[in-house]
Amino acid sequence: DAGVIQSPRHEVTEMGQEVTLRCKPISGHNSLFWYRQTMMRGLELLIYFNNNVPIDDSGMPEDRFSAKMPNASFSTLKIQPSEPRDSAVYFCASSLGAGGPEETQYFGPGTRLLVL
Amino acid sequence: QQPVQSPQAVILREGEDAVINCSSSKALYSVHWYRQKHGEAPVFLMILLKGGEQKGHEKISASFNEKKQQSSLYLTASQLSYSGTYFCGTPMNTGNQFYFGTGTSLTVIP
Repeated sequence: DAGVIQSPRHEVTEMGQEVTLRCKPISGHNSLFWYRQTMMRGLELLIYFNNNVPIDDSGMPEDRFSAKMPNASFSTLKIQPSEPRDSAVYFCASSLGAGGPEETQYFGPGTRLLVL
Repeated sequence: QQPVQSPQAVILREGEDAVINCSSSKALYSVHWYRQKHGEAPVFLMILLKGGEQKGHEKISASFNEKKQQSSLYLTASQLSYSGTYFCGTPMNTGNQFYFGTGTSLTVIP
């Protein structure tokens, strides 16, 4: 199994530009999570999908952030317009079932985003 | 709402033991433990689902005290490969909002 795949691995952009991060979950997994990691705030859950439907987006920081999951094998996290404070490592994770408290989450390698 | 871990950082010599604690101000329904090496993704270690549960894998084990709303991770006879940042994680209710702890940086030196 290839594991969770994220692209790009690194992204450098200028403030105001649109950024799109991509994620392919493990085949057969029904839940997908987007996290952001910074030194100041640690690992934060941004949004969670189950069966391609957004279940909880309360962690999305503001309207500049949006996430979609058009099918079971692909999700995007978009930032428009990007700001320097969005610089972070963005992780995608997937789990087998409904994402309940008993499930293991498998993390992708992350995308390091730097907004200048 | 984020679980608080202690200590924030610890340095060990090979062969020494360590305990990492995770405390929550709210009820814990399960506790997950992950390890993250520098520049890499978090990797799952174990889940504890019930109060009183203890689990272990080789020389890493954990306990879950549901009443005290805390969990501890025990590393015995530490190896260089144990170095990394350890995170506990928990759903804050029976739903899906998942919170990672503040993290504990563990460094094992020869």
